[in-house]
Amino acid sequence: DAKTTQPNSMESNEEEPVHLPCNHSTISGTDYIHWYRQLPSQGPEYVIHGLTSNVNNRMASLAIAEDRKSSTLILHRATLRDAAVYYCILRDNNNDMRFGAGTRLTVKP
Amino acid sequence: NAGVMQNPRHLVRRRGQEARLRCSPMKGHSHVYWYRQLPEEGLKFMVYLQKENIIDESGMPKERFSAEFPKEGPSILRIQQVVRGDSAAYFCASSPLALDRGSRRDFGPGTRLLVL
Repeated sequence: DAKTTQPNSMESNEEEPVHLPCNHSTISGTDYIHWYRQLPSQGPEYVIHGLTSNVNNRMASLAIAEDRKSSTLILHRATLRDAAVYYCILRDNNNDMRFGAGTRLTVKP
Repeated sequence: NAGVMQNPRHLVRRRGQEARLRCSPMKGHSHVYWYRQLPEEGLKFMVYLQKENIIDESGMPKERFSAEFPKEGPSILRIQQVVRGDSAAYFCASSPLALDRGSRRDFGPGTRLLVL
């Protein structure tokens, strides 16, 4: 799977939007962009994924750049329960799903 | 619909003992993946199994570690003669599809292994 680059950490205030960036300049045409998050002491939780078009679900939105070399996970109103490590993952290989260091999101009340 | 289940949630073993970690995939899922997460690190893929078959074990240590997914019952990750470096959280994930790069993968809550 191609490599992704994310900031190590970000902070947000409660009830404000959060934009979590991910760079993936070596993405191939068949790579899907997946986002997972891991709350403290829990297993990873699926957030959203997309290929080319922007995607929305009840948890978040995924904005994908036109050239697909970057994407942004958008939490529309951060809550304290959104504090987690967020992983941006490119999926081409069907077996290995590579988790990098992710972005640790802190939400301040 | 119950999610991916793992047990035990916590396991303490002394050096040299065996550890058995169990994973029951989501109903209808026949593909199981095991990951290991060392403290303060990301998850590392270990092995991918389908019912009765190991498909990809490229992330498994060559010695002491084995995995199975029998026709009946949960998937088992077995660690023989544990050492302190095996202390980690072990997560299981499942998927209904063989080619799941375009779909989600559901994870269990993990088993935290502590080797004394």
